This record gives sequence, structure tokens and C-alpha cells, in this order.
Amino acid sequence: GNSVTQMEGPVTLSEEAFLTINCTYTATGYPSLFWYVQYPGEGLQLLLKATKADDKGSNKGFEATYRKETTSFHLEKGSVQVSDSAVYFCALSSFQGAQKLVFGQGTRLTINP
Amino acid sequence: DSGVTQTPKHLITATGQRVTLRCSPRSGDLSVYWYQQSLDQGLQFLIQYYNGEERAKGNILERFSAQQFPDLHSELNLSSLELGDSALYFCASSVGAGLNIQYFGAGTRLSVL
Repeated sequence: GNSVTQMEGPVTLSEEAFLTINCTYTATGYPSLFWYVQYPGEGLQLLLKATKADDKGSNKGFEATYRKETTSFHLEKGSVQVSDSAVYFCALSSFQGAQKLVFGQGTRLTINP
Repeated sequence: DSGVTQTPKHLITATGQRVTLRCSPRSGDLSVYWYQQSLDQGLQFLIQYYNGEERAKGNILERFSAQQFPDLHSELNLSSLELGDSALYFCASSVGAGLNIQYFGAGTRLSVL
């Protein structure tokens, strides 16, 4: 079946540091890939997405590139801020009559000033 | 604000009881999804409804059931509750049944004592 594996957290960085959160997936067919973010006490918000190989999703300074050859969708940001502290979820979706999101386990990110 | 409304925000109940969680989708969205987020299982898809009909089932226990009403709001019923059912339950909605972006509510936190 489909699955998503994220790097283990928690991750703690200083403000303005470079961020990478690794995500790899296993899926049949050609899934769409997503990064969702969950701020404390809130629901999940879509951060970015990519629907086909070599697509790059970007939003709020975050980027991720759909790499089919390595089955990866790593999240990056060049300079993190304290406000980026949250839990980040990588997810995939493949349409097989219906859409189900399959999530990774989540990575808790804390940015210190 | 995603536009998806979940009530109640918190629910505390005892083992063996039954509860109902409610979700109002974004205006115009026909699909509703339910997810369970727990410490040991992570975020798991439970069930999807599209325009009143069940569309997809995930890891939903037989003690759990859901429905989508003509006004498109949805309810998730959890019965014979066990301690292990304590979790955050999210509802999401999307425009269609296929590969559309899912927008998440803030969740209902269920505590079974």
C-alpha cells in the first residue's frame, strides 16, 4: 500500500538557519504530494503541493520538489523564523475512485530566537 | 480560517459511552473526510462522503459510523468508547471527490476516561 516516511523529530534550529525536513514515499501510480503544517491548537493547513514529477511547490519561503527517481519530496526553507515553529506533515494522495490522504508521522519543528 | 467548522472543540466522556462529532464543510464543498490523529497511530484516514454518499473507507472501526446530511454537514458517531479512542478527530472538505485540495477544521479533541 501507499506510505510516507518523514525524518524523525523533533527538530530544533536557531532563527535564520536553513531547514530541511526529509520525506520519502511509496506509492503505486503517480501520486500527488503535499506538505501540511499544524500550528499549536489548530488544524492542518496546506503549505504546498506538487502533482507531477519535477514539479516544485512553494509557499511562504518553503519549497519542495517532486523527485520520482528518488521517491522524495523534501521540504526546505532558506531562513527560518520563530513563527515557523509547528508540526509539519508530508502526505500523498492517489486517486483510485476516491481520494485519501496518507500522512507521514509528522515532524515537530522549534525555532529559537 | 479554513472555513471548515467542527464542534465541539473538546469532549470528555467515559468508557462505554457514545458521542457525536459534527462537521460543517466549506461553502460549496461536496466532499467531507474524517481523520483520527493519535499519538501511537499518527494521522489516519477514516472515511469520506461525497454529496451524501459514502465514497471511501479507511481504518474505521465497526463501532464508528458517519453520515452526510442533505445540507452537506457530516457527523461522526463513536460508540462503546474505549480509552484508546482518545484522540484528535479532524474533518476536512473539498470541492469534489477526486484529487482536490482538502481543507481541515480545527479538530475535536476526545478524551475517554
